Amino acid sequence: DGGITQSPKYLFRKEGQNVTLSCEQNLNHDAMYWYRQDPGQGLRLIYYSQIVNDFQKGDIAEGYSVSREKKESFPLTVTSAQKNPTAFYLCASSIDLGSTEAFFGQGTRLTVV
Amino acid sequence: SQQGEEDPQALSIQEGENATMNCSYKTSINNLQWYRQNSGRGLVHLILIRSNEREKHSGRLRVTLDTSKKSSSLLITASRAADTASYFCATDAAQGQFYFGTGTSLTVIP
Repeated sequence: DGGITQSPKYLFRKEGQNVTLSCEQNLNHDAMYWYRQDPGQGLRLIYYSQIVNDFQKGDIAEGYSVSREKKESFPLTVTSAQKNPTAFYLCASSIDLGSTEAFFGQGTRLTVV
Repeated sequence: SQQGEEDPQALSIQEGENATMNCSYKTSINNLQWYRQNSGRGLVHLILIRSNEREKHSGRLRVTLDTSKKSSSLLITASRAADTASYFCATDAAQGQFYFGTGTSLTVIP
């Protein structure tokens, strides 16, 4: 099955800890994205990557970091510098930037305890 | 931020009625897309309309685009309870990344 997989589905983090969210795709897409969604809100772009070993900040990159060492993987680290990390995180991919459709994972719900 | 806005924020209709939601955006675009999100899930692509198109149909969906007003509308005809979801518009930014609106939460009452 081709698709995009996020794990885990639920994640709990203690204040002051870093945590990494996984995103893997087997669609052979070049572009990948991370979005944050707060309750009842739209999606805000955190980071995006056009190609392996390249990524760019979105609107709300502060307190987050990413890597793109492999085409199929785009992990997101939520660092202790992110003051309000509790949210629903969505990863997406597309054939390339400016493509006609983004494919989404099922999301990771992060809660700070 | 280049995030667009949908309106209304929430819409509740009876099954069989039509549902219309609107999207306004801020910058020039190459295309505009509509996505659907069931509660707690990822988004699913519904339809794309290019900047040189004014109207597009797909099954029970009809999308219009007015680039002079920087706005789009999504019409769902003969709604069903299964259409209950949040609907988002997305535009492509200068470098090709997707920017999403704030969403319309649609409830279809059986």
